[in-house]
Amino acid sequence: GNSVTQMEGPVTLSEEAFLTINCTYTATGYPSLFWYVQYPGEGLQLLLKATKADDKGSNKGFEATYRKETTSFHLEKGSVQVSDSAVYFCALEGGSEKLVFGKGTKLTVNP
Amino acid sequence: DARVTQTPRDKVTEMGQEVTMRCQPILGHNTVFWYRQTMMQGLELLAYFRNRAPLDDSGMPKDRFSAEMPDATLATLKIQPSEPRDSAVYFCASGPSWEGYTDTQYFGPGTRLTVL
Repeated sequence: GNSVTQMEGPVTLSEEAFLTINCTYTATGYPSLFWYVQYPGEGLQLLLKATKADDKGSNKGFEATYRKETTSFHLEKGSVQVSDSAVYFCALEGGSEKLVFGKGTKLTVNP
Repeated sequence: DARVTQTPRDKVTEMGQEVTMRCQPILGHNTVFWYRQTMMQGLELLAYFRNRAPLDDSGMPKDRFSAEMPDATLATLKIQPSEPRDSAVYFCASGPSWEGYTDTQYFGPGTRLTVL
């Protein structure tokens, strides 16, 4: 079945540091890939998405590129801020409308 | 700014009691999803509806859980009787669908359920 594996957290960075959160997937066919963010006490918000190979999703300084050859969708940001502290979820949708989520990675950014 | 709303935000109850959680999807969204989030299992899809009809509830324990959409503006998730292992955060999400496919799901803030 479809599955998503993302790096274990927590991740702690200083402000303005570079962020990478790794995400790899297993799926049949050509899934759509997503990153969601969950701020403390809130629901999940869509951060970015990509629907086909080599697409790059981007939003709020975050980027992720759909790499079919490595089945990956790593999240990156060049300079994190304290306000980026949250839990980040990688997810895929494999044609059945059902989102399959990774376990989540907690990011803490210190001033 | 349209949002999915959920009530209550927090619920503490005793084992054996009935629990009802409510969700108002974004106006115009015809597909509604229910998810459960726990530390051990992460996010799991329980059930989802399109145009108020259930499409898939295979993730839901059938003996105690039920999900309905009495109308297009309200989705409910009931647990009867509740058990401590049901303690979790329950999220509702909605999305617009075209030709039987939902492109993006928008999540509500969740209901944090604690069963003592």
